Amino acid sequence: GNSVTQMEGPVTLSEEAFLTINCTYTATGYPSLFWYVQYPGEGLQLLLKATKADDKGSNKGFEATYRKETTSFHLEKGSVQVSDSAVYFCALTGTASKLTFGTGTRLQVTL
Amino acid sequence: GAVVSQHPSRVICKSGTSVKIECRSLDFQATTMFWYRQFPKQSLMLMATSNEGSKATYEQGVEKDKFLINHASLTLSTLTVTSAHPEDSSFYICSARDIRTGPGTDTQYFGPGTRLTVL
Repeated sequence: GNSVTQMEGPVTLSEEAFLTINCTYTATGYPSLFWYVQYPGEGLQLLLKATKADDKGSNKGFEATYRKETTSFHLEKGSVQVSDSAVYFCALTGTASKLTFGTGTRLQVTL
Repeated sequence: GAVVSQHPSRVICKSGTSVKIECRSLDFQATTMFWYRQFPKQSLMLMATSNEGSKATYEQGVEKDKFLINHASLTLSTLTVTSAHPEDSSFYICSARDIRTGPGTDTQYFGPGTRLTVL
């Protein structure tokens, strides 16, 4: 079946540091890949997505590239802010648009 | 943007009682809603897919008689945990897919979740 593996947190960074959160997946066929973000007390929000190999999703300074050869979709941001502190979930869709999530990675950005 | 609400946000109940959780799409219509369960430090696990006007489709291992799902309108789905026990304590999250997006469009909008504690 489908699965998503992402790095365990928490990840603690100073403001303006470079962020990478690793995500790899196992899936049959050609899934779409997503990053969702959950801010404290709020629901999950779609951060970015990519629907085919070599696509790059980007939003709010975050980027991730769909790498089929390495089955990866690592999330990056060049300069994080305190407001980026949240839990980040990597996910993919299989049949019937069902989402399979990773375990989530908590990011804490400090001044 | 598309907003999904859940009510209640927290509920504490006694073992053996039933609890109903509501999921509403506030500014769009949703033919399909999804119910997830999240354990501490674990990923969201899909429980069931709820389709307006039809029976829900449950994932393997999810007891449909225990987790009753009703999707009576295009803006409301409910999850009822029947005869709740302490092992049902968890964080329940719903999501909704906008009716205006066609099949194969994968964007889901998530509610803030409901924390259920069964004593």
